[in-house]
Amino acid sequence: KQEVTQIPAALSVPEGENLVLNCSFTDSAIYNLQWFRQDPGKGLTSLLLIQSSQREQTSGRLNASLDKSSGRSTLYIAASQPGDSATYLCAVREIRSGNKLVFGAGTILRVKS
Amino acid sequence: GAGVSQTPSNKVTEKGKYVELRCDPISGHTALYWYRQSLGQGPEFLIYFQGTGAADDSGLPNDRFFAVRPEGSVSTLKIQRTERGDSAVYLCASSLGTSGGPGELFFGEGSRLTVL
Repeated sequence: KQEVTQIPAALSVPEGENLVLNCSFTDSAIYNLQWFRQDPGKGLTSLLLIQSSQREQTSGRLNASLDKSSGRSTLYIAASQPGDSATYLCAVREIRSGNKLVFGAGTILRVKS
Repeated sequence: GAGVSQTPSNKVTEKGKYVELRCDPISGHTALYWYRQSLGQGPEFLIYFQGTGAADDSGLPNDRFFAVRPEGSVSTLKIQRTERGDSAVYLCASSLGTSGGPGELFFGEGSRLTVL
């Protein structure tokens, strides 16, 4: 059974710092990996999608990497801002089940001004 | 609409009652998913539709839960004889479903269900 783990569970940093969120998964047979942002009481906003054949994706201050063989992904946030405060979730689309995303529990990020 | 729309945004009901939650996916998206999220946890898969048919319902916890998508667009998640443990946020997502490779999922704002 696919298990997705996110470390740390919570992170508090001062504004302007660069930071890294970690995601690991147990079954490397995946179609893709997706990073989401969730604000309190809201739905999920897709940030980056990395296909299994790709190594990284970038969008603005965000960069996500994927090492499928070792079952790891990182989300790098450059020059963090208070508006980045949210829960960040990673999810993998596993080949075995075909169509469902398996999520981690998330990392709660707080950027202090 | 421009995004995935879910109604109601909040639903409070009493134990034993019947509840319906509605999802209107992004226009043109053939794949539709229901997830359930409890406080402090990531979303858990419930059911996946490709068109009108439920392609994978392995995440439905028991036979009190049922979902339909009769015309391949709007979907309704139905919960019978609600229990306090059903309290959670129910999230709907859609994507351009293809048999060759799953695409990016787009989520709605969720329906928060509270069973008293």
